[in-house]
Amino acid sequence: EPEVTQTPSHQVTQMGQEVILRCVPISNHLYFYWYRQILGQKVEFLVSFYNNEISEKSEIFDDQFSVERPDGSNFTLKIRSTKLEDSAMYFCASWRPTRGSYGYTFGSGTRLTVV
Amino acid sequence: DAKTTQPNSMESNEEEPVHLPCNHSTISGTDYIHWYRQLPSQGPEYVIHGLTSNVNNRMASLAIAEDRKSSTLILHRATLRDAAVYYCILRGIYQGAQKLVFGQGTRLTINP
Repeated sequence: EPEVTQTPSHQVTQMGQEVILRCVPISNHLYFYWYRQILGQKVEFLVSFYNNEISEKSEIFDDQFSVERPDGSNFTLKIRSTKLEDSAMYFCASWRPTRGSYGYTFGSGTRLTVV
Repeated sequence: DAKTTQPNSMESNEEEPVHLPCNHSTISGTDYIHWYRQLPSQGPEYVIHGLTSNVNNRMASLAIAEDRKSSTLILHRATLRDAAVYYCILRGIYQGAQKLVFGQGTRLTINP
């Protein structure tokens, strides 16, 4: 079964540093998403991306965050200057509305630890 | 976003059926009922969805009340691998890029 692949699985970074989280969505999917989950809390929506532009973003997704789909296969989330409170699991998801398949496919996540 | 209400936790025994309830009294006529689950240290995983009729797939069954204000996810024979947090989520029929809004879900514990 096709998978969404996220790398790295775990990243440790110093406060103030830039990080790029990478995702390879399922190849024929059209919609792409980033979510995050702070330890012990709910899964929270960050941003959706379709047709090479952001469709919707949450209040969490401020100017420190950006997304890109640079080459038609990768989908990246960049945090420009990390804060301690950015420590969380970050999940990438993709979706294509097809008959009989209405669920998103999520990756296994990247655990980001900001120290 | 329409809201759903689920019990915080449930417990069941291995090889027994599990019925996970969800209330969604403010559901609109164009909302699908989706269920996802999150195994420990994993991303969420799609389980099943439905609109009005009961639905079955290889993972589970979804029973939807006639007034659509509640639904029940049924795991017919639970295994230890079904221990997870289960989320009931409403998503509009005009889906587009519409996000999923996760609540706290129900943490299901399976006893051997």
